[in-house]
Parts: sequence; structure tokens; C-alpha cells
Amino acid sequence: IAGITQAPTSQILAAGRRMTLRCTQDMRHNAMYWYRQDLGLGLRLIHYSNTAGTTGKGEVPDGYSVSRANTDDFPLTLASAVPSQTSVYFCASAPGQGLYEQFFGPGTRLTVL
Amino acid sequence: AQKITQTQPGMFVQEKEAVTLDCTYDTSDQSYGLFWYKQPSSGEMIFLIYQGSYDEQNATEGRYSLNFQKARKSANLVISASQLGDSAMYFCAIRGSARQLTFGSGTQLTVLP
Repeated sequence: IAGITQAPTSQILAAGRRMTLRCTQDMRHNAMYWYRQDLGLGLRLIHYSNTAGTTGKGEVPDGYSVSRANTDDFPLTLASAVPSQTSVYFCASAPGQGLYEQFFGPGTRLTVL
Repeated sequence: AQKITQTQPGMFVQEKEAVTLDCTYDTSDQSYGLFWYKQPSSGEMIFLIYQGSYDEQNATEGRYSLNFQKARKSANLVISASQLGDSAMYFCAIRGSARQLTFGSGTQLTVLP
């Protein structure tokens, strides 16, 4: 079934630890995105990639890094997790940079203690 | 910069009634797209409807319609004949020249039997 998968589904992490959230899509979409969702704040863009090999910063990029080595994968790394990074993380993709809808993964619930 | 404002944190509607969820936006772009997403309690983000800034007619998708008033910068979602399964969080979003989605804080809709 075509779509976006994210792993893990949920994770509890000690502060200071490194963590990589995985995102894979099989729709051959060029653009991919990482959002975090916090209560009362909606979804905020962390990083994006318009095409393989390129990445850009979103609204809240500090403490996060991404890479886009190929079309399908877009991992998000927290180099040294802090409690304020406790959130639900969504990966999304879109066919291109145009005014397309974005397709979302199921999300990863991350708790940093 | 672009911004979405959803002023209704929570809404209640009786089953089979229609409900309007408000969304106002701010953007300096001439060309942009407006999106509505539904997030049920299970957490996934479900795309509902899209309106382009140059579309002269309001978008409709089944029971969903978008009341687009460009001069007022509003893009309200109308759900007709509400069903219990419509109970969810609803997010309005805008995508402009930066090609990134900016979300509002959402409206929690509860459909009453």
C-alpha cells in the first residue's frame, strides 16, 4: 500500500540522548517535510526537502537536523534531546513544490525525560 | 510570512446539522493555496479540501465545502449533515510562494447525537 511510514510509533528518551526518527515514502514524491505538533500550537514545520540532496529550515529547526540522500527517505535527528522536544512528530510528502496537498505519515510520539 | 488564524478552539454541533469552522489567513503572496485537514482522535492527518487563490468557485468535496472570501481573507470550512464520525480536530493551512504549509491552531469539533 502506497504511503508514508514512520518509525518508531512512540519512544521515551532520556535527555541528552541522540535519536533519529525515520520516515519513508513510496510515492516517489519530490518534497518531504517534518512537523512537530504541540497542544494549542497546531503543526509547525521543522525542516523540509524540496528534492533529494537538498534540505531547508522551517519555523522551528533548532536542535534538529535532517538529510535527504535519496527520494524515499527523510530521517530527522535530535543530536541531544531536551524535554522541550517532547512532541508528536509528523513526516509529510508532496509531489513537488507546487500547490499540492501534503500526505502525512501516522506520526511518532516522542517523550524526552 | 504567512499566518492562519482559527478563533474557535472548540465547536459543538448536533448530528445532521451543518457547521462552519472559521479560518482567516494573512499572506503577501498573490498565488496561494488553502487546505483543510482533519485529525481524528487516532492522530492521523487526513486531507479534506483545497482552494486555490485564483479559483473563482468555492471548492466542494462531498459534504465538505470551502467558503472562500478572498477580500476578507477567509476560508471557512462548511460541513453539511454532520455525522458522529466528524468529531475531530480540524486544521486550516496555507501554502504560498515558500511552498511550505503554515497551519492554524485548530478547532476541536464535537458532534452530538
